Amino acid sequence: DAKTTQPPSMDCAEGRAANLPCNHSTISGNEYVYWYRQIHSQGPQYIIHGLKNNETNEMASLIITEDRKSSTLILPHATLRDTAVYYCIVRVQSNTGKLIFGQGTTLQVKP
Amino acid sequence: DADVTQTPRNRITKTGKRIMLECSQTKGHDRMYWYRQDPGLGLRLIYYSFDVKDINKGEISDGYSVSRQAQAKFSLSLESAIPNQTALYFCATSGQGDLNTEAFFGQGTRLTVV
Repeated sequence: DAKTTQPPSMDCAEGRAANLPCNHSTISGNEYVYWYRQIHSQGPQYIIHGLKNNETNEMASLIITEDRKSSTLILPHATLRDTAVYYCIVRVQSNTGKLIFGQGTTLQVKP
Repeated sequence: DADVTQTPRNRITKTGKRIMLECSQTKGHDRMYWYRQDPGLGLRLIYYSFDVKDINKGEISDGYSVSRQAQAKFSLSLESAIPNQTALYFCATSGQGDLNTEAFFGQGTRLTVV
């Protein structure tokens, strides 16, 4: 599975959009980009995933660049409860639960 | 009730003791996983099982063993606990096929070895 690079920490004002970047320059053609988050030592929670098209669900949007070497997770209206560590993971879809976690980005949403 | 339940939630044990962490799931998934998390780091895979008869080592399996007693149950054992196994342990499940796109995690077991 491809390695990812994320900034260690970011701040965001409550109510504003949080844009979390991820670089995955060695991604292969059959690898998807997954995002999970972990709130204060709880079990990680799936957010969204995509292959090459932009994706949106009730939690977030995922923007993947045309060359697929980077992506951005967007939380459109961040709340204090979105404070968490966000993990960007690149993998083939068939091994859904066999995840390789990096250190992620700690997002602090401030009032 | 939670889809993935881990017991105990917290445990303190002494060096050299055998300890078992248990995981059960109501998702009906075939695939189950054990991860370990150390402070400030991401999760690392210890063992995983794709069905009752299939057990595989993960990234950091030394010092651990597992048992898949049934589709819904996957236990992690530390045969002789040592202090550097102090960590937060997570169990996870996932389904098969293209429609099963996410893994589901338990709430974790905080283990301290003294």
